[in-house]
Amino acid sequence: ETGVTQSPTHLIKTRGQQVTLRCSSQSGHNTVSWYQQALGQGPQFIFQYYREEENGRGNFPPRFSGLQFPNYSSELNVNALELDDSALYLCASSLALGLAGENTGELFFGEGSRLTVL
Amino acid sequence: AQSVSQHNHHVILSEAASLELGCNYSYGGTVNLFWYVQYPGQHLQLLLKYFSGDPLVKGIKGFEAEFIKSKFSFNLRKPSVQWSDTAEYFCAVNHGSGNTGKLIFGQGTTLQVKP
Repeated sequence: ETGVTQSPTHLIKTRGQQVTLRCSSQSGHNTVSWYQQALGQGPQFIFQYYREEENGRGNFPPRFSGLQFPNYSSELNVNALELDDSALYLCASSLALGLAGENTGELFFGEGSRLTVL
Repeated sequence: AQSVSQHNHHVILSEAASLELGCNYSYGGTVNLFWYVQYPGQHLQLLLKYFSGDPLVKGIKGFEAEFIKSKFSFNLRKPSVQWSDTAEYFCAVNHGSGNTGKLIFGQGTTLQVKP
């Protein structure tokens, strides 16, 4: 158990719809990162949130957006869903120690939300 | 762009056999290196990490990895695997500057240990 919880665990959407995934970070952690893991692939970095602001983004279009709340929990929103968005979405929390959110990358992962887009 | 390459996609071993999983990365600067493991039905968890110092690092459950800077490699080893080591193994890297928690993962290696 990492203390990182994600919801929902599974969901099915149709193309064009919007989805919101939620993540509660481990106690004491102030940073949340989101990853997309397609079947048979390693996780791909979507973005990270620190101090309620996006602090680093991977190669994902703007229809992938997020929020971080004062209690450090986070949401991932995906608009205009496409078939290729079908994947396991992983949330990871960590503790950033520097003023700029420097993070050594030791992440604690949740079990993920499996999204299927039909 | 940075990338991480894991040479073996699927490895099948018998119990007590030795294990070595290859990992190479492409980035010329300072890096932090990780191996994560995902047991069936469980979340990703950290197996071991290298930040600096001794290039031979030891992790949980008897695993170790060696950082060879000249080869851009961070191979994972275990002298004698057990059935419970059956899992998916991911190598990952991020900038040593520690700027963001962005990890670049390899595509993973599925290890199947036969009893």
